[in-house]
Amino acid sequence: SYALTQAPSVSVSPGQTARFTCSGDKLGDKYFCWYQQKPGQSPILVIYQNTMRPSGIPERFSGSSSGDTATLTISGTQAMDEADYYCQAWDRSSYVVFGGGTKLTVL
Amino acid sequence: QLQLQESGSGLVRPSQTLSLTCVVSGGFINNDDYSWSWIRQPPGKGLEWIGYVYHSGSTYYNPSLKSRVTISVDRPKNQFSLKMSSVTAADTAVYYCARSGGFGLDCDHWGQGTLVTVSS
Repeated sequence: SYALTQAPSVSVSPGQTARFTCSGDKLGDKYFCWYQQKPGQSPILVIYQNTMRPSGIPERFSGSSSGDTATLTISGTQAMDEADYYCQAWDRSSYVVFGGGTKLTVL
Repeated sequence: QLQLQESGSGLVRPSQTLSLTCVVSGGFINNDDYSWSWIRQPPGKGLEWIGYVYHSGSTYYNPSLKSRVTISVDRPKNQFSLKMSSVTAADTAVYYCARSGGFGLDCDHWGQGTLVTVSS
């Protein structure tokens, strides 16, 4: 079965750049997205179709991919960005899969 | 503004069937551009996709749950439902409904989630 791998945690200081990676077989050939989830809240879509940002999502959130790895980047991280981040992928030959999530700590 | 609201039993006995409904408001479920998903999250753990349904009734399920899950749509009531049979404690989770679409079936609108506990 298809699997997506994320690091358990990332820590940055305010103003620094936070990077989250998501790895999966030929992930760069699939469509993927990223969600932010704060404690006790529903997930929020922050990147869709690999690089697109929904309306209302700050420009400091960006998505990219290379080979088997997708990356979510937060430039100029703020305290309000502290949350769990999940990647999700889908293509017509597989079902929808989530990564295990990465917890962002803003020190 | 599209809104989704889950409802159903919060406590289910082991081996029984879990039943949840998601009511869609502020938009129509009868839309070819979107599918309607169920996703769950065990306490303290990550997200797990359960499956999705189109307004036509076509469904797609997570292979690991497929034998126990049925997702259906009720177009006149603008809602869709989840049934999961033979539940165990491992099915205890917050269950979310969501609208999914686009090339990657990304979920752009989510319900608030409902906690379902499996316990005798």
